[in-house]
Amino acid sequence: TQLLEQSPQFLSIQEGENLTVYCNSSSVFSSLQWYRQEPGEGPVLLVTVVTGGEVKKLKRLTFQFGDARKDSSLHITAAQPGDTGLYLCADYAHLYGNKLVFGAGTILRVKS
Amino acid sequence: ETGVTQSPTHLIKTRGQQVTLRCSSQSGHNTVSWYQQALGQGPQFIFQYYREEENGRGNFPPRFSGLQFPNYSSELNVNALELDDSALYLCASSATGSSGNTIYFGEGSWLTVV
Repeated sequence: TQLLEQSPQFLSIQEGENLTVYCNSSSVFSSLQWYRQEPGEGPVLLVTVVTGGEVKKLKRLTFQFGDARKDSSLHITAAQPGDTGLYLCADYAHLYGNKLVFGAGTILRVKS
Repeated sequence: ETGVTQSPTHLIKTRGQQVTLRCSSQSGHNTVSWYQQALGQGPQFIFQYYREEENGRGNFPPRFSGLQFPNYSSELNVNALELDDSALYLCASSATGSSGNTIYFGEGSWLTVV
């Protein structure tokens, strides 16, 4: 059974600071996805990465995928209160169609 | 707004009772999955339906069952509720049963078992 470990579990920072959160898998990712979940809502897809070493940017968010495809990081530059939420990494497991295996997430709080 | 609608948004049940949660998937999506998200954890895959047939199941007991209707809406039924069933139940829909398509989540149904 694949296990995804995310760190840190909780992060509280001031507006304008930079931060990085991590995701490590016990096995190679099929396809890594990052989601953000705000209170009272379902997860929303931020990015999908497939190729080892891949780097994707989404405005102030930078996603890196490890060369061995077993780890990933999400870096946020100049965090804003609107970035507050639960950040989840997930493996898009192909065996059962669109099944996702999630990590426990990192709770991010950005204070103004 | 993902186009995935779940009901009810919140409910409280007593241990041993049964519950039915409902999901209306995004227009044109024929695949629906259900996830359980306990407090402080990531979502856990329960099962998936593709064109009204179960198409994969996670590590959940048989008292968790589901249905998908011809219009691709779906139900999650849980019998003999236990306290540990208290969680956010998320419905997710996508366009096909194969990988590579974006998955859209509803806002979830909060279930509290007392």
